Amino acid sequence: DAGVTQSPTHLIKTRGQQVTLRCSPKSGHDTVSWYQQALGQGPQFIFQYYEEEERQRGNFPDRFSGHQFPNYSSELNVNALLLGDSALYLCASSLRRGGNQPQHFGDGTRLSIL
Amino acid sequence: ILNVEQSPQSLHVQEGDSTNFTCSFPSSNFYALHWYRWETAKSPEALFVMTLNGDEKKKGRISATLNTKEGYSYLYIKGSQPEDSATYLCAPYYGGSQGNLIFGKGTKLSVKP
Repeated sequence: DAGVTQSPTHLIKTRGQQVTLRCSPKSGHDTVSWYQQALGQGPQFIFQYYEEEERQRGNFPDRFSGHQFPNYSSELNVNALLLGDSALYLCASSLRRGGNQPQHFGDGTRLSIL
Repeated sequence: ILNVEQSPQSLHVQEGDSTNFTCSFPSSNFYALHWYRWETAKSPEALFVMTLNGDEKKKGRISATLNTKEGYSYLYIKGSQPEDSATYLCAPYYGGSQGNLIFGKGTKLSVKP
């Protein structure tokens, strides 16, 4: 049973560029959440997708956008990259929305901005 | 902005010691409390999801309690083993306009053999 998979594992970009990160949820899960973890901080919620729509959004600018596909996989897009966007980006999936379901995390994508 | 506090920030114990961590969170509009274990070079792993005041959960040598009225949760590890070395994250869930899980910075546990 495949868990949550994220790609790529590592990515190096320069300021101003755009990046797309990808996530395949655990088999049977329909909800995908994205988190940003900066050094020394806990993961910060970016947004959540369910039924191909953004359902919840954290305190992130519009440069951060996403998409969910009919097969429940998801993409995170970041435009006009800033040095401060350097972080580990985690994808988590769960069965249905709501706080009483544990989230299953991928290994993350390490994004470095030069 | 909701603030979730975890203490201590880090902890070094000997194999066999028992230990506990604290997670404090705003209790207003609280819905559920999640605990995750995050080992180096791996992905965070769910330990517990608790919703009811006074709830207690146990998984092997690890247990957790929840006080929703005062907004805190304790995580206990009995007889720590080197494989327990990890960062332990707590995350309350408020739902609604507050967003998804709100993570603390974690408690980093190191268990020496």
